[in-house]
Amino acid sequence: DIQMTQSPSSLSASVGDRVTITCRASQSITGYLNWYQQKPGKAPKLLIYAASSLESGVPSRFSGSGSGTDFTLTISSLQPEDFATYHCQQSYSTPFTFGPGTKVDIK
Amino acid sequence: QVQLQESGPGLVKPSETLSLTCTVSGDSISPYYWNWIRQPPGKGLEWIGYIYYSGSTNYNPSLKSRVAISVDTSKNQFSLKLSSVTAADTAVYYCARRRGSGSRDNFDIWGQGTMVPVSS
Repeated sequence: DIQMTQSPSSLSASVGDRVTITCRASQSITGYLNWYQQKPGKAPKLLIYAASSLESGVPSRFSGSGSGTDFTLTISSLQPEDFATYHCQQSYSTPFTFGPGTKVDIK
Repeated sequence: QVQLQESGPGLVKPSETLSLTCTVSGDSISPYYWNWIRQPPGKGLEWIGYIYYSGSTNYNPSLKSRVAISVDTSKNQFSLKLSSVTAADTAVYYCARRRGSGSRDNFDIWGQGTMVPVSS
């Protein structure tokens, strides 16, 4: 199985801050990487697919980059509605696997 | 718009079989892959498996011996059965649509999730 790790596991930030979350795969997954946002008690929501493609309807302050084993999710200017947990997921091979999540909360 | 809704018993006893159904509304169940994903309380997401509308399946090896996913295209539904459950199977269970191919493969639509405790 491909193991996914994320750093940091949590972070505190203020509205307007630039936030970067890192995801690493245990082997190369080329660009087969997706990012999801999850709020408490809710299902995950797709933000970014294929490492850098913005899902329809997702604000442009979200962006993704990377390839191979190292990927990043960037929020250019954090908004109040962005406080949530972010998960990366590889779609390179089954079993599909997720990172443990990064919780973004209010400083 | 496409919506997914999980349904099933709210509590399962240890050693019994967990059964859930996901109803797809707003679109046909074909030609997508339909998935089950779970999340234990306070933990990360675990992919359980998928079924294609034609009936072919792919399961997570960690659960393969206990999992069965089926599809009923006439009802626009797919179902999960997980046998011999223990407390470790307590989780929120989500159904999700897998969209795309190649590097554009992703879970774009999710049900709201249903919490299934395993307890006597």
